[in-house]
Amino acid sequence: DQQVKQNSPSLSVQEGRISILNCDYTNSMFDYFLWYKKYPAEGPTFLISISSIKDKNEDGRFTVFLNKSAKHLSLHIVPSQPGDSAVYFCAASVTTQGGSEKLVFGKGTKLTVNP
Amino acid sequence: DARVTQTPRHKVTEMGQEVTMRCQPILGHNTVFWYRQTMMQGLELLAYFRNRAPLDDSGMPKDRFSAEMPDATLATLKIQPSEPRDSAVYFCASGLGYTSTDTQYFGPGTRLTVL
Repeated sequence: DQQVKQNSPSLSVQEGRISILNCDYTNSMFDYFLWYKKYPAEGPTFLISISSIKDKNEDGRFTVFLNKSAKHLSLHIVPSQPGDSAVYFCAASVTTQGGSEKLVFGKGTKLTVNP
Repeated sequence: DARVTQTPRHKVTEMGQEVTMRCQPILGHNTVFWYRQTMMQGLELLAYFRNRAPLDDSGMPKDRFSAEMPDATLATLKIQPSEPRDSAVYFCASGLGYTSTDTQYFGPGTRLTVL
């Protein structure tokens, strides 16, 4: 039962164009969302996040949009650069029954930016 | 340059053998997470500790997996006995904060293959 879904396993874009990575979630109790980026043979690294009380957060070339009614968020990268080629994981935070918080990750989308 | 370190980076073992994976969190970080990445499930949280105390291990198969923090500089994840379905990349992450939404810094992972 995937609570965080990244339905596109891969995405290919041209350098300089916009990359849009999508993420859908099912649990309305998620209150914080994050994107992590992962290069081969490395661990994921934090990229950008957004609280459920906001609908947009921007950091340089990266912008995350949140549509709570649709339970959908997206990561926009503009302009895309070859160094952005990586696997991008969407994650959501939820408080468990035991009172602890945990991140639930999607399966990831592999982005390839072609020169 | 502070980083999370994990050993070994690769491990190949036979079914039934004990496997121990080690993690050295970033000095001063008080939260340590263990994740498993598989093609089928993506990144799953297995367990996490705060100030060396286990906070949540609900994602971990209790009959064969165990996670400990003998001291603040070492976290271990053991599988005994190992099974082929345990083959995955195991990531350790550490953080300086009290919520899972605080930035987590991931290690490079241990790629485990159980034959």
